[in-house]
Amino acid sequence: ELKVEQNPLFLSMQEGKNYTIYCNYSTTSDRLYWYRQDPGKSLESLFVLLSNGAVKQEGRLMASLDTKARLSTLHITAAVHDLSATYFCALFNQAGTALIFGKGTTLSVSS
Amino acid sequence: DAGITQSPRHKVTETGTPVTLRCHQTENHRYMYWYRQDPGHGLRLIHYSYGVKDTDKGEVSDGYSVSRSKTEDFLLTLESATSSQTSVYFCAIREGTNEKLFFGSGTQLSVL
Repeated sequence: ELKVEQNPLFLSMQEGKNYTIYCNYSTTSDRLYWYRQDPGKSLESLFVLLSNGAVKQEGRLMASLDTKARLSTLHITAAVHDLSATYFCALFNQAGTALIFGKGTTLSVSS
Repeated sequence: DAGITQSPRHKVTETGTPVTLRCHQTENHRYMYWYRQDPGHGLRLIHYSYGVKDTDKGEVSDGYSVSRSKTEDFLLTLESATSSQTSVYFCAIREGTNEKLFFGSGTQLSVL
C-alpha cells in the first residue's frame, strides 16, 4: 500500500528566506504531482514530475524527483507572502487508478 | 477550466438523514473521484469511478456509497449522516496526457 509522507507539516518562513518541503513515498512510482491550496479554496495543480531526475520550476518554486530515493522536494526561493498556502504532493497507487495524497505542508510567509 | 462543478456548495444537515452530493463534468472524462479533506489528514479518497456503473472503494469508504449512471455525473451518498462525516468534500476528474486531477470547488458539509 502506498504511503506518502510530507515534512514539515507546518512551516513558518520569513520573506526572502529559502526553504525545502520534502515528500517521501513508500512504493515505486514514476509520476509525482504537486498541488497548491489557498485557504478555503480548491486544489490547483503546480507540477507534474514524470521521471527520475525531473526538475520543474515556476517562479520561486522548484520541484524535483528522485525515484531511487523515493523522494521529491519542493524548494522555495526568496519566499514572498503570496506563497502562503498548503502544498500537497501526490502519487498514483500501484494499480494506477487512484491518486494518494500526503497530508500537506502549510506554509506561512511573514515579513 | 476543466468543466467540473459540485453541488451543493454548502449543506447543513442533521445526524441520521441521507445526503447526496453531486459532481458534474462536461468533458466526458472516464475517471472521477470523491475525496474528503479534514484538518490533519490531508485529502483522503472515498470512492472513485472508472466508467459508467464502474466504481471502487477508497481508503475511507465506510458510510458512503456512490453511483455513476451517466458519464457526466458522479453522486456521493451518505445513507445516514453522522457527525464524523462533517468535512469538505472534493470531486475530481482525471485528464490530459499527464493524467492530472482537476478538482471541483468543494462542498462544505456540516452534520449536526
